[in-house]
Amino acid sequence: DAGVIQSPRHEVTEMGQEVTLRCKPISGHNSLFWYRQTMMRGLELLIYFNNNVPIDDSGMPEDRFSAKMPNASFSTLKIQPSEPRDSAVYFCASRLTSEQETQYFGPGTRLLVL
Amino acid sequence: KNQVEQSPQSLIILEGKNCTLQCNYTVSPFSNLRWYKQDTGRGPVSLTIMTFSENTKSNGRYTATLDADTKQSSLHITASQLSDSASYICVVQGAAGNKLTFGGGTRVLVKP
Repeated sequence: DAGVIQSPRHEVTEMGQEVTLRCKPISGHNSLFWYRQTMMRGLELLIYFNNNVPIDDSGMPEDRFSAKMPNASFSTLKIQPSEPRDSAVYFCASRLTSEQETQYFGPGTRLLVL
Repeated sequence: KNQVEQSPQSLIILEGKNCTLQCNYTVSPFSNLRWYKQDTGRGPVSLTIMTFSENTKSNGRYTATLDADTKQSSLHITASQLSDSASYICVVQGAAGNKLTFGGGTRVLVKP
């Protein structure tokens, strides 16, 4: 299996632009997670889905952030408009439904907003 | 407030030596505790996951311990290798709402 796939791996954009991050979970996994990691705040859970349904989005920082999971094999995290403080590494992870199962992380998207 | 505190923040050890990382948490009620290894520029990789009833769990040269009474966990690395250089993150899952609380990580550097 290719593991969790994220694209793009790197993104540089200007403040005010829309940014879309993409994730393909491991086939057969029912849960998908979006995380953000910065030096200051470490890893933070933004939102997670079970069976394509958003379960907890309390970690989403503000209305500029939105996430969708239109089917079991694809999810997007969108930032509109982007701001310099959104610069971070964004990870997607997936796992089987059971909360005792291991989460498998993708390689991350490194976002820089100028 | 649920918190996970890791110590030390960073650590330098010589190849072949052992080291122990600490994780203290206040998450309650508790479901499980996980240790992740994160290499530079990569996503975290799970090392161990322990539930309330488990005291110790090993994964190769990595051994995690858990004392649910004192809310403390440790990760012991035996006979360190250069490839152990990474950040190690302690993550605690609460039983209420399945929230994950992340520690700030311990950055380990193994020198030859």
